[in-house]
Amino acid sequence: DGGITQSPKYLFRKEGQNVTLSCEQNLNHDAMYWYRQDPGQGLRLIYYSQIVNDFQKGDIAEGYSVSREKKESFPLTVTSAQKNPTAFYLCASSKPGTSGGISTDTQYFGPGTRLTVL
Amino acid sequence: KQEVTQIPAALSVPEGENLVLNCSFTDSAIYNLQWFRQDPGKGLTSLLLIQSSQREQTSGRLNASLDKSSGRSTLYIAASQPGDSATYLCAVAQAGTDKLIFGTGTRLQVFP
Repeated sequence: DGGITQSPKYLFRKEGQNVTLSCEQNLNHDAMYWYRQDPGQGLRLIYYSQIVNDFQKGDIAEGYSVSREKKESFPLTVTSAQKNPTAFYLCASSKPGTSGGISTDTQYFGPGTRLTVL
Repeated sequence: KQEVTQIPAALSVPEGENLVLNCSFTDSAIYNLQWFRQDPGKGLTSLLLIQSSQREQTSGRLNASLDKSSGRSTLYIAASQPGDSATYLCAVAQAGTDKLIFGTGTRLQVFP
């Protein structure tokens, strides 16, 4: 089955800890994205990557880090510098588009990871 | 700065009704507009994608329209069913960037 997976589904973090959220896709997509979703708000882009070994900051990158060593994988680390990390985190992937570098194809989303800071 | 607004924020209708969800955006320089469905605690599922050169897209009981010049899109759901209950999000692919800009969603409940 082709798809995008995220793990774990639920994650609890103590204050001051770094945690890493996993995102894997077997859709052979070049582009991958991390979003944060808070209650009553739309999705906000944290980081994205259009190709292996390259990634760009989104709108709310502070306190987060990513790597893209393999096409299939795009892990997100929530560092202790992120002041309010409790949220629902969504990973997505897409084929690259043909207009100015942005993906003009639809994005496929994983099931999400709910992170709670204790 | 692109802003995407969805009205209403919540909607409750009886089964069988036809309904319209609205999405508006402030900057018409977009590549496309997408409608997604999100069930509680789950990821997003793509429903329809309308390229900027298109006026509408249809999939089953769903029809999405796009009026780029006025910054509006509508998602029409025909003969609603309880299984349609979910949050519906629209997002625009902003021209000149690599980003999707999301609205805050419309939470739909269809009761039997």
